Amino acid sequence: LAKTTQPISMDSYEGQEVNITCSHNNIATNDYITWYQQFPSQGPRFIIQGYKTKVTNEVASLFIPADRKSSTLSLPRVSLSDTAVYYCLVTLMNTGFQKLVFGTGTRLLVSP
Amino acid sequence: DAGVTQSPTHLIKTRGQQVTLRCSPKSGHDTVSWYQQALGQGPQFIFQYYEEEERQRGNFPDRFSGHQFPNYSSELNVNALLLGDSALYLCASSLGQGAHTEAFFGQGTRLTVV
Repeated sequence: LAKTTQPISMDSYEGQEVNITCSHNNIATNDYITWYQQFPSQGPRFIIQGYKTKVTNEVASLFIPADRKSSTLSLPRVSLSDTAVYYCLVTLMNTGFQKLVFGTGTRLLVSP
Repeated sequence: DAGVTQSPTHLIKTRGQQVTLRCSPKSGHDTVSWYQQALGQGPQFIFQYYEEEERQRGNFPDRFSGHQFPNYSSELNVNALLLGDSALYLCASSLGQGAHTEAFFGQGTRLTVV
């Protein structure tokens, strides 16, 4: 699976939009991009997954350009409770038989 | 619908001892994976169980072993504990085959080896 690179940390204020970019230059045709959120002393929580263009759910949006070598997680109007570590992963299509490869993630700190 | 549950939540063991951690997967899931997360790091894959067999394994020594039961629940066993085994141990469940394959994680077991 392709290696991902994302910023180590980001700071924001309540009410702002946060965009976290991830690069995955060696992504393969059968790979998805998946984002997880993790709060301290809790397990990661699935946020969003996409293959190309744009995906939106009630929590976030995921933008993937045509070459799929990068992706951007967008969190609209963040609140203090969005302070967490966000992981960008490349995952296989249509199978639960996969080992998730986590990097060190992006630590997002939201301040009042 | 209960999600993934792990027990115990916290555990303190002495070097050289053995430990067993338990996981019940999300309802309807048949695949269980275990991860180790050291402080400040992302989770690292230990192994995965499906149909009561170890399906794939990460780069962990044989001191780490597991089991899956017919009801899909799973155990992680670690023998001859080292100080470096102190970590948050996470269990994730998924549906092995199908379109919706995202993994759901439990809250984890915090293991401290002294």
